[in-house]
Amino acid sequence: DSGVTQTPKHLITATGQRVTLRCSPRSGDLSVYWYQQSLDQGLQFLIQYYNGEERAKGNILERFSAQQFPDLHSELNLSSLELGDSALYFCASSVDGGRPQHFGDGTRLSIL
Amino acid sequence: DQQVKQNSPSLSVQEGRISILNCDYTNSMFDYFLWYKKYPAEGPTFLISISSIKDKNEDGRFTVFLNKSAKHLSLHIVPSQPGDSAVYFCAALFRDTDKLIFGTGTRLQVFP
Repeated sequence: DSGVTQTPKHLITATGQRVTLRCSPRSGDLSVYWYQQSLDQGLQFLIQYYNGEERAKGNILERFSAQQFPDLHSELNLSSLELGDSALYFCASSVDGGRPQHFGDGTRLSIL
Repeated sequence: DQQVKQNSPSLSVQEGRISILNCDYTNSMFDYFLWYKKYPAEGPTFLISISSIKDKNEDGRFTVFLNKSAKHLSLHIVPSQPGDSAVYFCAALFRDTDKLIFGTGTRLQVFP
């Protein structure tokens, strides 16, 4: 158990819809990271928050947004969903410094 | 452009023998490398890491070797056990960033 909690585990929705994925970091970790893993691909970095502030951005689509709340949990919002957004979405956390990052078990998003 | 490459999608090894997983990278500015193991329906689990100032790091049955001139690293597992059967991801970090760049993974199967 990494200590990182992601909900829900599975999400099935339709194109054009909006969903919110939630992540609770390990106790004491201030940084939260979001990654996307599409079929047979490596994990792709989306965005990082540190203590409530955005710290780094990767190849995150404009339809996607994230935030980190005062209690340090984070949410990833995906809107105007397309079939290609079907993927595993992982959250990771770390003490500042990022080495290593500890991952949750992911949310599997299926767009029908 | 894939900056971290794992060219072997799969590897099969007999229990008790050595497993060698390989990873190549293209950017000489990476300064830290990590290996993660992933079981189905779980998130990646951190295994071992190495800084670019070292050429070897060992932790129990796991050893990572770094050859900077060849831009190559490898993970050795000795002896291999059936519980090691999983997908192994190589990942890299630039100095002063927390954005992990992942390879596409190698599926290791250890058979009795």
